Amino acid sequence: EVQLVESGGGLIQPGGSLRLSCAASGFTVSSSYMSWVRQAPGKGLEWVSTIYSGGTTYYADSVRGRFTISRDNSKNTLYLQMKSLRAEDTAVYYCANLRGTWYFDLWGRGTLVTVSS
Amino acid sequence: SYVLTQPPSVSVAPGKTARISCGGNNIGSKSVHWYQQKPGQAPVLVMYFDSDRPSGIPERFSGSNSGNTATLTISRVEAGDEADYYCQVWGSSSDHQWVFGGGTKLTVL
Repeated sequence: EVQLVESGGGLIQPGGSLRLSCAASGFTVSSSYMSWVRQAPGKGLEWVSTIYSGGTTYYADSVRGRFTISRDNSKNTLYLQMKSLRAEDTAVYYCANLRGTWYFDLWGRGTLVTVSS
Repeated sequence: SYVLTQPPSVSVAPGKTARISCGGNNIGSKSVHWYQQKPGQAPVLVMYFDSDRPSGIPERFSGSNSGNTATLTISRVEAGDEADYYCQVWGSSSDHQWVFGGGTKLTVL
């Protein structure tokens, strides 16, 4: 079965760091374009970051310089390293498969990150 | 960066037709994709490349895109269609940003 399963969310203090993981099954992460999309409580969807199969990465202005997207091909897993976390980073973080450069055709169930003291 | 504008809410009676708009500057020149999100669930792709339906999405769902407005149309609306709907575009090859509209809450009366 093709699926994505996120993990690593939790409660973290402002200024802290957290690493999210997204385990893929049924397809190969290294051959895909993969992304992170977040959703703050009661708010809409916000694209966060994308990594192309060739390794090129892209970030939203709101997280550039603080977040790093990466993958471990041996574990078929996508990561999002988050540093200098702020209250406004509180959200459910979804990983998603990006079809070409166009649309997100497979989503995980999400993991909740809460930044609060 | 590119901005997509959706109405916050749309209401429709069962069996009627719902139209959810997504506005953007010359959006007709871009490919628009649509997602459905029910409470507590992940988004699900319901339309891609303006008017293509993924497998498993009912034919009641259709899409169009022209000028400054893209539209998701749901015919013969059912109670199970009640959800938030988001439009999305890819910026461009020179601006690698993926943009979502603010979302529209579809209420089935």
